[in-house]
Amino acid sequence: IQLTQSPSSLSASVGDRVTITCRASQGISSYLAWYQQKPGKAPKLLIYAASTLQSGVPSRFSGSGSGTDFTLTISSLQPEDFATYYCQQLNSYPRTFGQGTKVEIK
Amino acid sequence: EVQLVESGGGLVQPGGSLRLSCAASGFTFSSYSMNWVRQAPGKGLEWVSYISSSSSTIYYADSVKGRFTISRDNAKNSLYLQMNSLRDEDTAVYHCARNVGSYGFDYWGQGTLVTVSS
Repeated sequence: IQLTQSPSSLSASVGDRVTITCRASQGISSYLAWYQQKPGKAPKLLIYAASTLQSGVPSRFSGSGSGTDFTLTISSLQPEDFATYYCQQLNSYPRTFGQGTKVEIK
Repeated sequence: EVQLVESGGGLVQPGGSLRLSCAASGFTFSSYSMNWVRQAPGKGLEWVSYISSSSSTIYYADSVKGRFTISRDNAKNSLYLQMNSLRDEDTAVYHCARNVGSYGFDYWGQGTLVTVSS
């Protein structure tokens, strides 16, 4: 299963609403997770089961979608949110990740 | 506190071998399935391999099948990745990650760098 994220990168300002899309090449129900990765750090699980917030993750992060189309939304971008975001499908093996979306400061 | 600490990375020539280890602490290691995920320099995440809690189920990415072997020792709270016939394209930081069913990978190690070069 291939995952295609869009955009590959974006520039945004603090306080902006940011939306990242992940499209699967075939239906994966709600078996999708989102991760945040900062340079030199391990990825951090943000959302699982497409829309469930991982414990400790700020409520400005939200996820939606099912089947083949999914969205990660950051409602009000904060300075610590500038990072690269990846989606991952957990419907079948091999597990696959999207190519990543880099969120940069405008 | 859950901790995953990888070791064993380094510089190896093409065709060579390396064994990575991941030491787990802060949770009941034997109750969780585990994964290896790698990231080539400047590139995205690539899932490498999965092992169930009892080692009864194992999966590999096509890119490493037949060359890499995942294993675990629940008595030692350790996960391993034996890498043989290494290629330039295996150069990456290798992370171990705890699996939470079909919900994702909730804890990751910081990774160990494997460089394949002559």
